[in-house]
Amino acid sequence: QVQLVQSGVEVKKPGASVKVSCKASGYTFTSYGVHWVRQAPGQRPEWMGWINIGDGNTQYSQRFQGRVTITRDTSASTAYMALSSLTSEDTAVYYCARDVSHYNWHADYWGQGTLVIVSS
Amino acid sequence: DIVLTQSPDSLAVSLGERATINCKSSQSVLHSSKNKNYLAWYQQKPGQPPKLLISWASTRESGVPDRFSGSGSGTYFTLTISSLQAEDVAVYYCQQYYSTSWTFGQGTKVEIK
Repeated sequence: QVQLVQSGVEVKKPGASVKVSCKASGYTFTSYGVHWVRQAPGQRPEWMGWINIGDGNTQYSQRFQGRVTITRDTSASTAYMALSSLTSEDTAVYYCARDVSHYNWHADYWGQGTLVIVSS
Repeated sequence: DIVLTQSPDSLAVSLGERATINCKSSQSVLHSSKNKNYLAWYQQKPGQPPKLLISWASTRESGVPDRFSGSGSGTYFTLTISSLQAEDVAVYYCQQYYSTSWTFGQGTKVEIK
């Protein structure tokens, strides 16, 4: 069965960076894209970016351009999301989600989420 | 960015009754050459990730009960729960994937009356 398992809780100081991992199993990793979406408490989900796992092509939300980097390691079936220059407003649950295709469409499977807390 | 506005923000429905959620887009999400609406509906329960219910505005995902249905085209969409069950208590979001940057509606909280 398709599973996306994310890394654990992160606590960071303002100005620091964080890198969250998303290990995929149960499907051919290189045939699908992976999105990263975050959700602050009580807020709607917010799309951060997407990677075509097959060719590594990425698209980022303008809101995070320059601060977010999405990568993948096909040998480890793992996607990564790195976010720099953290502020308290980056405190949220970060999700990876598998696209239904290798295009930028919608997501059918989601990771369990990784809580990132930014606090001095 | 495409702005999605849902209505209402919350609704309380009796068990077995119909729940209707609306989603209005600031621009059309209908891809004319493909004749497909690039809109999805998700259900989210506390402490869980969103769950895909409907894609392409009206295609129910495998395993989703048939009491959930989606309709609409262009800029106006509806999610209907035909007979509300206790396990349907959740927040529901519409999401567009017409533009490369996804956007979500603000969410509609569904409760039991």
